[in-house]
Amino acid sequence: EPEVTQTPSHQVTQMGQEVILRCVPISNHLYFYWYRQILGQKVEFLVSFYNNEISEKSEIFDDQFSVERPDGSNFTLKIRSTKLEDSAMYFCASRGSGLAVATQYFGPGTRLTVL
Amino acid sequence: AQKVTQAQTEISVVEKEDVTLDCVYETRDTTYYLFWYKQPPSGELVFLIRRNSFDEQNEISGRYSWNFQKSTSSFNFTITASQVVDSAVYFCALSETNFGNEKLTFGTGTRLTIIP
Repeated sequence: EPEVTQTPSHQVTQMGQEVILRCVPISNHLYFYWYRQILGQKVEFLVSFYNNEISEKSEIFDDQFSVERPDGSNFTLKIRSTKLEDSAMYFCASRGSGLAVATQYFGPGTRLTVL
Repeated sequence: AQKVTQAQTEISVVEKEDVTLDCVYETRDTTYYLFWYKQPPSGELVFLIRRNSFDEQNEISGRYSWNFQKSTSSFNFTITASQVVDSAVYFCALSETNFGNEKLTFGTGTRLTIIP
């Protein structure tokens, strides 16, 4: 069964460093998302992406964040200058097109630890 | 703005008991989707079910059943004859139809512990 994959599973970085989180969505999906879950809290929407551009972004998704689909398979989230409060689990999700396929399928997540 | 409330923060039941997880939602849209996701201790988010706002039929899948009531804006989830493997955090989520987006708004989750 097709699944969303994410790398790395765990990333440790120093405050102020740049990190890139990588995702490979399900191959025939067209809509891509990033969500964040701070430890013990709920899952929060960061950004949605379709047709090579951002569809919507939350207040959390400020100028230090960016997303890119550099090729036909990868979808990346870049955090330019990490802060302590960026420590969280980051989930990538994807879905197919049309209302009949509205379900978002999530990857296993990348746990980001900022020291 | 859309909102999902899961008032039960933690629930513990003894194995084989039935348990119901509550979910109440708010939305101004007439067309929307409701979801339940399971997050086991390993951390991934596992899709369980999706309902659209026009389909109020209850659904049963094995030991799982869902009760969707638009009149009370609720989408509750029942596990029958619970098992230890059901121990997880369960999230209810809502998406409004916004072509190209359909972002999910999650509740705060209910941590379910099944005691052997």
